[in-house]
Amino acid sequence: DSGVTQTPKHLITATGQRVTLRCSPRSGDLSVYWYQQSLDQGLQFLIQYYNGEERAKGNILERFSAQQFPDLHSELNLSSLELGDSALYFCASSVTGGSNEQFFGPGTRLTVL
Amino acid sequence: KNEVEQSPQNLTAQEGEFITINCSYSVGISALHWLQQHPGGGIVSLFMLSSGKKKHGRLIATINIQEKHSSLHITASHPRDSAVYICAVRRNEKLTFGTGTRLTIIP
Repeated sequence: DSGVTQTPKHLITATGQRVTLRCSPRSGDLSVYWYQQSLDQGLQFLIQYYNGEERAKGNILERFSAQQFPDLHSELNLSSLELGDSALYFCASSVTGGSNEQFFGPGTRLTVL
Repeated sequence: KNEVEQSPQNLTAQEGEFITINCSYSVGISALHWLQQHPGGGIVSLFMLSSGKKKHGRLIATINIQEKHSSLHITASHPRDSAVYICAVRRNEKLTFGTGTRLTIIP
């Protein structure tokens, strides 16, 4: 158990809908990262937050947004969902950022029908 | 060409064999990570390297910064080592991932 929690574990929804994925980092970790793992693209970095502020941005679509709250939990919002958004979404956390080890949550499996 | 290349893509070996998985990258990095993904999907961080060599139990990871190459070795492999092993490089706060090596250890 990495200490990172993600909810829900599974999510099935329809095209055009909006969903919110939640991540709670390990106690004491200030950085949260979001990743997408799809069959065709593999693992991709989406976005990083550090202590409430956006730190780095990767291949995140405009339909997706994220935030980190004062209690350091983070949410990833996916809107106008398309079939191709079906993937595993992982959250990871680290103490600060930079070259710190990252600890991964169990992931949320999103299926868009 | 991907920034991070892993080889082999698939590897099947007998229990007890010495396993080597390779990772090559084409950009300057601040660190390299080795991750393990189990069939259930969960990802475990195995190593984070910026130079030299690290060992944890039967796993050894090495990195050659000049050659832009890293290897993950498993000694005395066991069926429970069966998983996908993923190399990732860190550059400007971002991780870029290899496509993974699927390892199957046969009893």
